[in-house]
Amino acid sequence: GAGVSQSPSNKVTEKGKDVELRCDPISGHTALYWYRQSLGQGLEFLIYFQGNSAPDKSGLPSDRFSAERTGGSVSTLTIQRTQQEDSAVYLCASLSGYTTDTQYFGPGTRLTVL
Amino acid sequence: AQSVTQLGSHVSVSEGALVLLRCNYSSSVPPYLFWYVQYPNQGLQLLLKYTSAATLVKGINGFEAEFKKSETSFHLTKPSAHMSDAAEYFCAVSTLIQGAQKLVFGQGTRLTINP
Repeated sequence: GAGVSQSPSNKVTEKGKDVELRCDPISGHTALYWYRQSLGQGLEFLIYFQGNSAPDKSGLPSDRFSAERTGGSVSTLTIQRTQQEDSAVYLCASLSGYTTDTQYFGPGTRLTVL
Repeated sequence: AQSVTQLGSHVSVSEGALVLLRCNYSSSVPPYLFWYVQYPNQGLQLLLKYTSAATLVKGINGFEAEFKKSETSFHLTKPSAHMSDAAEYFCAVSTLIQGAQKLVFGQGTRLTINP
């Protein structure tokens, strides 16, 4: 079956503009994660969705970042008033269960803020 | 809190040589541990995982890792490097937050294979 997909693959925007990044998880996976991968910062957890539960937003770096997941499937990560330090690769992952299951990652969206 | 340290941000080996990528973890509870590989411009792909069964875990592409509780280590090895192994490798420890899995990643090790 299809893996996790993300769009766009690359996004170049100007400082101060809003951007939306999309993630389509593997069908049937109830958990969805967003990560940010920056040079020198490794992989940073942003937000987590599990079924209909309230999302875990503990990793969001500022209130300019938000995410939603519609119908328990597709998720959108929104960054408002982008800053140059937001430039990074944003990775989405989905997981079928809770504990020892594997997170499956999408190819990422490379965001460049000019 | 759980954490992961990968020793060496860059490792270079010759084709056919042993690959050893080091990972040490800190965890207050028995950990679940993962190794992921990232090829250029791609997402992360699971190599192998330790979930408290056998301490020697075999993964894809000839990689394996051994969980050593006494050393809090989970080093990744491959007996003979291939050019296609050139990639970035991430070690991660899984925590459970309110019943949900959360991965904490190391900083990554970039593996270069010399012909």
